[in-house]
Amino acid sequence: DAGVIQSPRHEVTEMGQEVTLRCKPISGHNSLFWYRQTMMRGLELLIYFNNNVPIDDSGMPEDRFSAKMPNASFSTLKIQPSEPRDSAVYFCASSTTGYNEQFFGPGTRLTVL
Amino acid sequence: TQLLEQSPQFLSIQEGENLTVYCNSSSVFSSLQWYRQEPGEGPVLLVTVVTGGEVKKLKRLTFQFGDARKDSSLHITAAQPGDTGLYLCAGTGGSYIPTFGRGTSLIVHP
Repeated sequence: DAGVIQSPRHEVTEMGQEVTLRCKPISGHNSLFWYRQTMMRGLELLIYFNNNVPIDDSGMPEDRFSAKMPNASFSTLKIQPSEPRDSAVYFCASSTTGYNEQFFGPGTRLTVL
Repeated sequence: TQLLEQSPQFLSIQEGENLTVYCNSSSVFSSLQWYRQEPGEGPVLLVTVVTGGEVKKLKRLTFQFGDARKDSSLHITAAQPGDTGLYLCAGTGGSYIPTFGRGTSLIVHP
């Protein structure tokens, strides 16, 4: 079975550029989470979707970040414009509502120069 | 806001040693998960505990949920280099949004 798929795995960009991260959750999972992981702050929840609807986006750092889930099999996290402090590993995870176990993708390592 | 404190933050031991890592909170959780994350990969679920006082074993790993469901521990017996990784605990309350600890980074030297 395919797990959570994320692309790209690595992204290097320059400050001010737009960055789009992509995620395909596990088929049948109706909850999707975007996280950011850094050494300083650990794993931070950015946004949580349930049945394609954003439920909690209180972790989104600022207006430069936006996330969409147009259908049950695809989600994007966009940063525009990107800044060096956005450099981190971004994870997407999916689960089934009512079950607390989450399945994580391999992550996208973002470097903003 | 529910916070989870993990300790120690870093642990470096020799193969064959035993170790315990802790996950503590002032909040009550309906369930608690332990994950292991290897370099360059996402966290992978090891176990879920839901009942106060519950003990679960996974080969050489023993997980315990505190009686009050506010804390948990992970004990590894006879650690092996393959146990190296970042161990994360995550607690879930009334919603299905988990709170993650900062993790314990474990290195087991051959």
